[in-house]
This record gives sequence, C-alpha cells and structure tokens, in this order.
Amino acid sequence: DAGVIQSPRHEVTEMGQEVTLRCKPISGHNSLFWYRQTMMRGLELLIYFNNNVPIDDSGMPEDRFSAKMPNASFSTLKIQPSEPRDSAVYFCASRTPGTGNTEAFFGQGTRLTVV
Amino acid sequence: GENVEQHPSTLSVQEGDSAVIKCTYSDSASNYFPWYKQELGKRPQLIIDIRSNVGEKKDQRIAVTLNKTAKHFSLHITETQPEDSAVYFCAASGNGGATNKLIFGTGTLLAVQP
Repeated sequence: DAGVIQSPRHEVTEMGQEVTLRCKPISGHNSLFWYRQTMMRGLELLIYFNNNVPIDDSGMPEDRFSAKMPNASFSTLKIQPSEPRDSAVYFCASRTPGTGNTEAFFGQGTRLTVV
Repeated sequence: GENVEQHPSTLSVQEGDSAVIKCTYSDSASNYFPWYKQELGKRPQLIIDIRSNVGEKKDQRIAVTLNKTAKHFSLHITETQPEDSAVYFCAASGNGGATNKLIFGTGTLLAVQP
C-alpha cells in the first residue's frame, strides 16, 4: 500500500477563494482523521470519521470549514471562503480501530498558504 | 472535553544524556497512548505506543511508562543522539466507536547538542 495520500502537497490561494484538500486513506482502514498543524496550536483534531460517518466535528473552527467522506477511499476538507489565518499544514490520518493494531498513519500533509 | 497536556514544550540535552517528556490526559476512557516523532518538514510517525493493560514498554533506547490512576504517561529516551532531535507528540484515544478520537499533546521540541 502507498500509505495515506494527500493532495495537493502545497496550495497557495488568495483570501476569499475556496480551497479543497483531498485524502485517500490506507485501504482497509475505517477511521479517518483531519488535523491542522500550526506552531502555536500543535496538531489540532478538526474532524474524524468512522466507516465514512462523521463522528465528531467539534474541532472544526468555523462554518467556513466542511468535510466529507463519500466512500471508504476518499475524503475532502473544504474551506470556503479562505482567510489568511487558515494558513497551516493540514494532515489526514487513518487507522483501524479495535483491539489490534491501532496505529494512525499520516499522509504527507498539505501546506496551505492564504494570502 | 478531552484534553492532553504535554511538558516541556522545548527540551535541550547534551548528546548521551537522557530526555523525559511527560503527558497527562483527561478522558478516563482512553486506553491507547502512542508517541509520534516529527522531523522538520515531514509527517508525524509512530515511535512507540502503550496500552492501558501495561505499565511500561521499552524498545531499545526509548521507553514509555503509564500511570492510569494518575492519568499520566511519559516518554524516556536514553543515550540521546543528534538524530533524536525532532518534535515529539504524545496522544491518547480509545480503540473504537465514540472513544476512537485521537487527541494529541502540543508537542515537545527536543534538541540534542553534539
């Protein structure tokens, strides 16, 4: 397996534009997490899904943020409209919950810059 | 809500010395405690984890200890080397359903001076 795949790796956009980040989890993993990383706040959990269903989105900062998981192999995080304070690295991670191996594997991240 | 606190935020040691990073968690349902290492510009990667039925786990130069009563756990790195320099994150979660939330501490920047 190629691991968790995120795209794009880098995104530069103007304030007010819509941004869509994409994630393909590891095949067979049924939990997916979206994190935002900044120097000040570390790794913040934005939302997570179990079996494609959003379980907890309490970390989503505002209504400008939305996330979907239409099937087991794809998820998106959308910011509309984007603002400069959204600039950060966004990570997607996946794992299989259960009593066995529960390691979460991270994608390479998307570095978002909003100017 | 669930919270994981991590200390210190920065740690500088001499090569060969030991480093200790401490974390506390708030959710008593947590039963899985991983530690991740993140090198500059890269993704976090698991280095060791511990489950609630175990008090201590060791893997070569790294070890983790867990005190479920006090809700705290620690990472110990012995004989530190320059390549250990990175940001280290602790995390806590359950292993299914509503307790599957994986919450991270704020990270510790470890600098090993040669």
